[in-house]
Amino acid sequence: EIVMTQSPATLSVSPGERATLSCRASQSISSKLAWYQQKPGQAPRLLIYGASIRATGIPARFSGSGSGTEFTLTISNLQSEDFAVYYCQQYNNWPFSFGQGTRLEIK
Amino acid sequence: EVQLVESGGGLVQPGGSLRLSCAASGFTFSTYAMHWLRQPPGKGLEYVSAISSNGDTTYYVDSVRGRFTVSRDNSKNTLYLQMGSLRVEDMAVYYCATWVCRGGNCYSDYWGQGTLVTVSS
Repeated sequence: EIVMTQSPATLSVSPGERATLSCRASQSISSKLAWYQQKPGQAPRLLIYGASIRATGIPARFSGSGSGTEFTLTISNLQSEDFAVYYCQQYNNWPFSFGQGTRLEIK
Repeated sequence: EVQLVESGGGLVQPGGSLRLSCAASGFTFSTYAMHWLRQPPGKGLEYVSAISSNGDTTYYVDSVRGRFTVSRDNSKNTLYLQMGSLRVEDMAVYYCATWVCRGGNCYSDYWGQGTLVTVSS
């Protein structure tokens, strides 16, 4: 089973600044990685798939990069609605698996 | 508009059973693989099970294999999760989600709102 590790657990950033979230896979997953955003009481929302492809309707301030075992989600010019929990997810091997999440909070 | 609506959650005693349903609308359900995922209270997301578009292929995570059964009725646009021998650690919000694969990449672009399963005596 592939273990996904996200860092940091909590990230405090000011609105308008840039946030960089990291995700590491325990073995190579090529580019089979997605990022999801989740707000309290809501279902997850797809942001990025294929490590770097923005999903439909996702603003350009969200960008993903990486391949193999190291991945990054960058959110530029943080807006108030961006403060949430972010999960990376690998779909290279079943069972698919998520990282433990990074909570992005307002500084 | 795409909608996924889960139902069937509730309070059940350890060792008990429950069947979750996920009613789909707004898309051609029979052409989509579907997933069940869960989120224990205050914790992260976990995969539970997956089923192919025609129902012929199913997958389970080790922790539920042999206790849970995923199925679908494409004539009713509905996905099911039959859960048995429930444990306290199965307590979670359960989500159904679509699973799309295009050009070698896959993703869950639609999710239900979730249904809470509470396992307690």
